[in-house]
Amino acid sequence: AQSVTQLDSQVPVFEEAPVELRCNYSSSVSVYLFWYVQYPNQGLQLLLKYLSGSTLVKGINGFEAEFNKSQTSFHLRKPSVHISDTAEYFCAVSEGDAGGTSYGKLTFGQGTILTVHP
Amino acid sequence: DTGVSQNPRHKITKRGQNVTFRCDPISEHNRLYWYRQTLGQGPEFLTYFQNEAQLEKSRLLSDRFSAERPKGSFSTLEIQRTEQGDSAMYLCASSPRGQGPYEQYFGPGTRLTVT
Repeated sequence: AQSVTQLDSQVPVFEEAPVELRCNYSSSVSVYLFWYVQYPNQGLQLLLKYLSGSTLVKGINGFEAEFNKSQTSFHLRKPSVHISDTAEYFCAVSEGDAGGTSYGKLTFGQGTILTVHP
Repeated sequence: DTGVSQNPRHKITKRGQNVTFRCDPISEHNRLYWYRQTLGQGPEFLTYFQNEAQLEKSRLLSDRFSAERPKGSFSTLEIQRTEQGDSAMYLCASSPRGQGPYEQYFGPGTRLTVT
């Protein structure tokens, strides 16, 4: 069964500093990986996704993530954060079958609250 | 594209009452998912529809929970005899047809409080 661990529940940083939010997953088959962001009182919004191909994926708002199969990780990074990046971030995994087909059921991590201070 | 909508946004009910939530997916999205999110946790999968067929139900979905998607359009999630442990945010998401794990578009959620 698939599982996702977000290693930090809270990450405080100062504005314009770099940030890394860590995510490790466990799965026995092919996986598809996602990062979602949830702003206060809003729904989940997709930041980026890894389906196949290049292990470095770029998303919206200057975020990027690197898929590392050997370390089963999918860490999210941003070189310079803004106050507006303050939100909760969720890593999620979807499993595919042997043929790579997936109907998309997501397993989420516990979330990481990113707080950007001025 | 008006996005995924959910109604009501908030529901307060007394223990033992039945509640029903509605989700309207993005038009032409044939996949629809329900998730539950409790405070401090990530969303947990509840159930999945492809068109009108309910293809998977989580073990989290007890017999008090039932979901439908008549005609493959909107979906309803009903909770009978609510318990305080049912208090959570109920999220609906939809995605387009196809073989891939396409992006899921989430609605704003329905926050249920059971008193």
